[in-house]
Amino acid sequence: GAGVSQSPSNKVTEKGKDVELRCDPISGHTALYWYRQSLGQGLEFLIYFQGNSAPDKSGLPSDRFSAERTGGSVSTLTIQRTQQEDSAVYLCATKRDRGETQYFGPGTRLLVL
Amino acid sequence: RKEVEQDPGPFNVPEGATVAFNCTYSNSASQSFFWYRQDCRKEPKLLMSVYSSGNEDGRFTAQLNRASQYISLLIRDSKLSDSATYLCVVDILTGGGNKLTFGTGTQLKVEL
Repeated sequence: GAGVSQSPSNKVTEKGKDVELRCDPISGHTALYWYRQSLGQGLEFLIYFQGNSAPDKSGLPSDRFSAERTGGSVSTLTIQRTQQEDSAVYLCATKRDRGETQYFGPGTRLLVL
Repeated sequence: RKEVEQDPGPFNVPEGATVAFNCTYSNSASQSFFWYRQDCRKEPKLLMSVYSSGNEDGRFTAQLNRASQYISLLIRDSKLSDSATYLCVVDILTGGGNKLTFGTGTQLKVEL
């Protein structure tokens, strides 16, 4: 079956522009996570959606970052007024239920010039 | 203190060696544990779950020590293809549901 998909796979933008990253989860997966990974660094948790519960936004680095998940399926991560330090790979991962493993999408490589 | 801590390495070992990674976690309410593998410029992928009784999958053995709050991964007879970053992952029950927390990873380089 189809895995987690993300788009675009690569994005180059100018400093100050807004970007929108998309994640399509595996069908039936109720939990969805966004992470950021800078070159040579570990995964940085950004935000977590679980079913209809309020999202855990504790990892968002600033108010320029926001995410939503419509209809419990597709999620978009929006970065406003991008800065060069936002350059990273943005990974989406989903899982079906408690205790289940996460499945990652291929990521979106964002470069802010 | 980080929720999940790992030695970043790198661990440089010769082919055929046995190598062990440890990971500690801070939340005693953690319920599930995993090891993920991440190849360079690729997304993380599940290597194996970690069970209380310990579990083995071929050359890989994972163990959990709840009392000391650490997880280990042992790789025997290491191969060149084992070169990757190994991520320790802990599933923690929060008010909003379960949340997987990743360590920063331990880099392994297997050399000829």
